[in-house]
Amino acid sequence: QKEVEQDPGPLSVPEGAIVSLNCTYSNSAFQYFMWYRQYSRKGPELLMYTYSSGNKEDGRFTAQVDKSSKYISLFIRDSQPSDSATYLCAINDYKLSFGAGTTVTVRA
Amino acid sequence: DAGVIQSPRHEVTEMGQEVTLRCKPISGHDYLFWYRQTMMRGLELLIYFNNNVPIDDSGMPEDRFSAKMPNASFSTLKIQPSEPRDSAVYFCASSFRGGRYNSPLHFGNGTRLTVT
Repeated sequence: QKEVEQDPGPLSVPEGAIVSLNCTYSNSAFQYFMWYRQYSRKGPELLMYTYSSGNKEDGRFTAQVDKSSKYISLFIRDSQPSDSATYLCAINDYKLSFGAGTTVTVRA
Repeated sequence: DAGVIQSPRHEVTEMGQEVTLRCKPISGHDYLFWYRQTMMRGLELLIYFNNNVPIDDSGMPEDRFSAKMPNASFSTLKIQPSEPRDSAVYFCASSFRGGRYNSPLHFGNGTRLTVT
């Protein structure tokens, strides 16, 4: 079993829609959870990270962690065409383990 | 800072040839990671270094793969001999941790390797 599982999509939404991305993880000991965004032909870049459970908000982006169900989520409100990218969840202990990535297309 | 610099951006080679990928991490970072990304397997960690010392190479797929970090500003990933199934995008990333696990990784833009 992989340490983190993510539905690869792809996901296509109209501009202005809410995008919901999810991952599950296997080890309840993990404490740090991250979301990376990867544009085509570029390296991943850190979008948000959370520690333990709860929510974290940054502009149009909200990251949630539910440690009881080992579930992490990323929500994008008022999505824009510039949000079109692959989003990767990651869990971090001494190394990063990534989900497969979900490719999101926001249609203008 | 210029960020993590990888070279070459693209590499096309024939099966059996030696391939060397290069990485210059961000100055001052104490961790360096090599990842491989494919459609089928996603982003896989191959090996990582702390202060130039290899810590975990359990992700290196075979003995054909080797990585070195001779100093804090340079690392190489070598494949010898290369095979078509090695075709992928190889990323280098660096991080400054100072004992903390939540430091972000800074990725280069990758080397796209095609082995024919």
